[in-house]
Amino acid sequence: GENVEQHPSTLSVQEGDSAVIKCTYSDSASNYFPWYKQELGKRPQLIIDIRSNVGEKKDQRIAVTLNKTAKHFSLHITETQPEDSAVYFCAAIGYSTLTFGKGTMLLVSP
Amino acid sequence: DVKVTQSSRYLVKRTGEKVFLECVQDMDHENMFWYRQDPGLGLRLIYFSYDVKMKEKGDIPEGYSVSREKKERFSLILESASTNQTSMYLCASSFGGSSQPYTDTQYFGPGTRLTVL
Repeated sequence: GENVEQHPSTLSVQEGDSAVIKCTYSDSASNYFPWYKQELGKRPQLIIDIRSNVGEKKDQRIAVTLNKTAKHFSLHITETQPEDSAVYFCAAIGYSTLTFGKGTMLLVSP
Repeated sequence: DVKVTQSSRYLVKRTGEKVFLECVQDMDHENMFWYRQDPGLGLRLIYFSYDVKMKEKGDIPEGYSVSREKKERFSLILESASTNQTSMYLCASSFGGSSQPYTDTQYFGPGTRLTVL
């Protein structure tokens, strides 16, 4: 089945810095890659997603890039703010597989 | 606004008990999911349902069963709870009707933290 590796497991940045979280997947049939944010004590919520026919997608301070050849995708957060502190999960999804990464705890210090 | 609710936020049960976790969504979604979330392991899919009375096993179905008698309600059942089932359980739903059921945005419930003693 699908295997999704997510790195780093913890990321600490200063407010205003950029943060990058990387994921790799194993199943070349995967064609949908969402990112979820889970604040402490709250439910995961979709923040951005990308499909395999697109190489990059941006939404304000958040962007996701996809390299299908290398089977990796990344979440980029610019101008980080304390409210960006949360656990971020990537996922790789095909028709019959649904696999999440183990999560990255992002800590943004004021 | 999509609303997914779960019957309990916290639950404490004893080993061997039968446990029911319930999830209700109010957006007429076709798909519903049960996950467990453990530190360092992320979200792991237990079961998925794409229609009433229809279900598919996820990655870790052992020790669990599910029931979907009505479209809005999806129940997770632990037939005989064990201590290794102590975890956070998250329900989710998505719109459905897609040829790729997993690719719709999933909306999560608040979670049930189950402790089995």
